[in-house]
Amino acid sequence: AQTVTQSQPEMSVQEAETVTLSCTYDTSESDYYLFWYKQPPSRQMILVIRQEAYKQQNATENRFSVNFQKAAKSFSLKISDSQLGDAAMYFCAYSSNYGGSQGNLIFGKGTKLSVKP
Amino acid sequence: GAGVSQSPSNKVTEKGKDVELRCDPISGHTALYWYRQSLGQGLEFLIYFQGNSAPDKSGLPSDRFSAERTGGSVSTLTIQRTQQEDSAVYLCASSPNRLPNTEAFFGQGTRLTVV
Repeated sequence: AQTVTQSQPEMSVQEAETVTLSCTYDTSESDYYLFWYKQPPSRQMILVIRQEAYKQQNATENRFSVNFQKAAKSFSLKISDSQLGDAAMYFCAYSSNYGGSQGNLIFGKGTKLSVKP
Repeated sequence: GAGVSQSPSNKVTEKGKDVELRCDPISGHTALYWYRQSLGQGLEFLIYFQGNSAPDKSGLPSDRFSAERTGGSVSTLTIQRTQQEDSAVYLCASSPNRLPNTEAFFGQGTRLTVV
């Protein structure tokens, strides 16, 4: 079974600084996707960034980028120029791209990010 | 509506009662997912709908949990004879087609408290 581990329950960053959130996963599959979701106090999960396992190039979305290390099964999220609005819970998630469980998201337990003004 | 809508936003129920949670997906989205977010367990997959069919119900924790989707649109998650361990936030998501090749859009969830 696939698992996702986020080893940092809480992180803090100064406004305008850079922070990296860690995520490791375990799978024997070769065709999968990895995601980072943001959950503000409103509870609504918002997709931050998505990475397809077959793509070697790291995904980027504006101030958000990932460091995808497939062999190490690591998928960290870097937030540059942190803003107060970035404060939220961040979840790393895995999804198989085939078979009966295709599309079912497996989430880590989350990292609570605080941004200090 | 513009996004996924869930109702009620909060629900308090007595142990042993039945509850129904509703999800209105984004119009035209064929795939719909239910997840449960509880303090001790994190986010867990419950069920996946493609149209009105549920090809994957593997995440439903017990036979007290059931879900249906009608007209390829609205979905209802029903919990019978609620227990205190059912207390959680229930999140619904929809996507244009089956994940993960597209984006899922989540609702704001229903916080269920069983007293």
